[in-house]
Amino acid sequence: GAGVSQSPSNKVTEKGKDVELRCDPISGHTALYWYRQRLGQGLEFLIYFQGNSAPDKSGLPSDRFSAERTGESVSTLTIQRTQQEDSAVYLCASSPRASEHTQYFGPGTRLTVL
Amino acid sequence: SQQGEEDPQALSIQEGENATMNCSYKTSINNLQWYRQNSGRGLVHLILIRSNEREKHSGRLRVTLDTSKKSSSLLITASRAADTASYFCATDLSNYQLIWGAGTKLIIKP
Repeated sequence: GAGVSQSPSNKVTEKGKDVELRCDPISGHTALYWYRQRLGQGLEFLIYFQGNSAPDKSGLPSDRFSAERTGESVSTLTIQRTQQEDSAVYLCASSPRASEHTQYFGPGTRLTVL
Repeated sequence: SQQGEEDPQALSIQEGENATMNCSYKTSINNLQWYRQNSGRGLVHLILIRSNEREKHSGRLRVTLDTSKKSSSLLITASRAADTASYFCATDLSNYQLIWGAGTKLIIKP
């Protein structure tokens, strides 16, 4: 079946602009995760959704970052007033349920803030 | 904060040789996973080993876990050019959150 998809694959924006990143998880997966990966580094947890609720937003780096999820489907990560330090690859992953620890990743969105 | 830390940070070997990567972690875990990442994009799950397991195999992959030393190793036998990638270990911080190391960059030279 279809895997996790993310769009856009690349986004170049100017400092101060807002951006919206989209994630389509695998159908039926109730758990959804957003991560940030800076160049040459590991994954930094941002937020976790169980269904359309977000029990853990602790990884969001600032109030410029927000995320939503529609039912057990699409999620969007919004970054307002982007800064250069927001430049990174943003990865989305889903899993059938949170207790099943294997995560299935999308290809990521590479965000460049000029 | 990072739980898992892989070493070496980078590894370059000849095709056909075996590659060994290590992961250390700090707190007790229920399971540990290894993932591969090609070209800085999406990660692919390779193998999960539970805390009560000591060794697990999958094709050319062999994973060991030593909970007394809080460490794991990933061995790739008979490496191929297609194995060139970054490899990450991830441990369960909670019932939903994983903690990731910074990865080992593996280069297989033809």
